[in-house]
Amino acid sequence: NAGVTQTPKFRVLKTGQSMTLLCAQDMNHEYMYWYRQDPGMGLRLIHYSVGEGTTAKGEVPDGYNVSRLKKQNFLLGLESAAPSQTSVYFCASRHPGGELFFGEGSRLTVL
Amino acid sequence: GENVEQHPSTLSVQEGDSAVIKCTYSDSASNYFPWYKQELGKRPQLIIDIRSNVGEKKDQRIAVTLNKTAKHFSLHITETQPEDSAVYFCAALEGNTPLVFGKGTRLSVIA
Repeated sequence: NAGVTQTPKFRVLKTGQSMTLLCAQDMNHEYMYWYRQDPGMGLRLIHYSVGEGTTAKGEVPDGYNVSRLKKQNFLLGLESAAPSQTSVYFCASRHPGGELFFGEGSRLTVL
Repeated sequence: GENVEQHPSTLSVQEGDSAVIKCTYSDSASNYFPWYKQELGKRPQLIIDIRSNVGEKKDQRIAVTLNKTAKHFSLHITETQPEDSAVYFCAALEGNTPLVFGKGTRLSVIA
């Protein structure tokens, strides 16, 4: 039982490049989330999903896209990376009781 | 939507002293209030939570209190130890909407 797994854990991009972060959970949770964490800003919600095939915008969705084609996977895409997207990205899935289970995080640097 | 304010942003205590972190929320419909601890370079992890039908909950050295009338809740850590040093996040949840986090409190326990 791995919980929530994120790949990759580290990535360096040049401005304008694209990439996809993959989040996988093995707990059969319906709800999944992508957050970004910047110093002093806490955890800000980018996009979330309430079930397979559904996605919704969070607090800071601009510049990101997501897909939830399979229940266990939630993908976060950056089509044209910008330096402002340098951050640590956390994926989480939610137990029906409310607890969030986070992945280890993905550190992205955009040069 | 829900808004969660957290204070203080930084807190330093001597080992063995108590630490208190306070949060306020805006949506009276919120009914679940978790606290997450994030150690340096790690993922956030749930340490304690409380639901709106309970006023206080305790787990060894940590406790959470909830005042629904005033819409605030607090985390209390007694007999602090160096391993309590971390960033602590409060959050509020209403139904199936996404969890809304406070901006975090960096707790330093000085030996």
